[in-house]
Amino acid sequence: QVQLQESGPGLVKPSETLSLTCTVSGGSISSYYWSWIRQPAGKGLEWIGRIYTSGSTNYNPSLKSRVTMSVDTSKNQFSLKLSSVTAADTAVYYCAKYTRIGAGWFDPWGQGTLVTVSS
Amino acid sequence: QSVLTQPPSVSAAPGQKVTISCSGSSSNIGNNYVSWYQQLPGTAPKLLIYDNNKRPSGIPDRFSGSKSGTSATLGITGLQTGDEADYYCGTWDSSLSAFWVFGGGTKLTVL
Repeated sequence: QVQLQESGPGLVKPSETLSLTCTVSGGSISSYYWSWIRQPAGKGLEWIGRIYTSGSTNYNPSLKSRVTMSVDTSKNQFSLKLSSVTAADTAVYYCAKYTRIGAGWFDPWGQGTLVTVSS
Repeated sequence: QSVLTQPPSVSAAPGQKVTISCSGSSSNIGNNYVSWYQQLPGTAPKLLIYDNNKRPSGIPDRFSGSKSGTSATLGITGLQTGDEADYYCGTWDSSLSAFWVFGGGTKLTVL
């Protein structure tokens, strides 16, 4: 079955750009939607956005000005860039497959990767 | 403040039943299907219910979902200590621009 694995720096300096990659294994990334979701320590889930393998994107309005998502079908990967980060962006970042039927759902999820924003 | 409102915590004894509510509005739950996620301590969330009341393969029928108007409910029967987790509801919100929203999460304690 499909498995997802996040990768990227665990420490990012304030004002810099957070960059993460999600590698999809066990199936093709093509013709599906893929999402990023984050969770600050002790808090709830926050949807960051989604990308279709055509490159079409939807972002959370609260993060839209700082988020860029991309997909590389040749590598079966999709990526997240979040610019001008602050301590408030410290969180566990999850990637997930989004099935767009009706409202849709997220399944499966990656294990998550902790990104800390600190100088 | 989450767009979808869940109780912060619920508790019940082993073997009992518990329900977790998720309240929204016409721009989200009222016009969209709801999904539920279980997050065991220290792990990634896992899909529990989709399309209001459907269970993915492998999810026991002790877990159920329902929706009425602008609210959704997750039910868990025959509670087990292994059900202690955080539970999140989620759906699309189309109030201004379409985006996904999660509830604030509910911590289930099995006493």
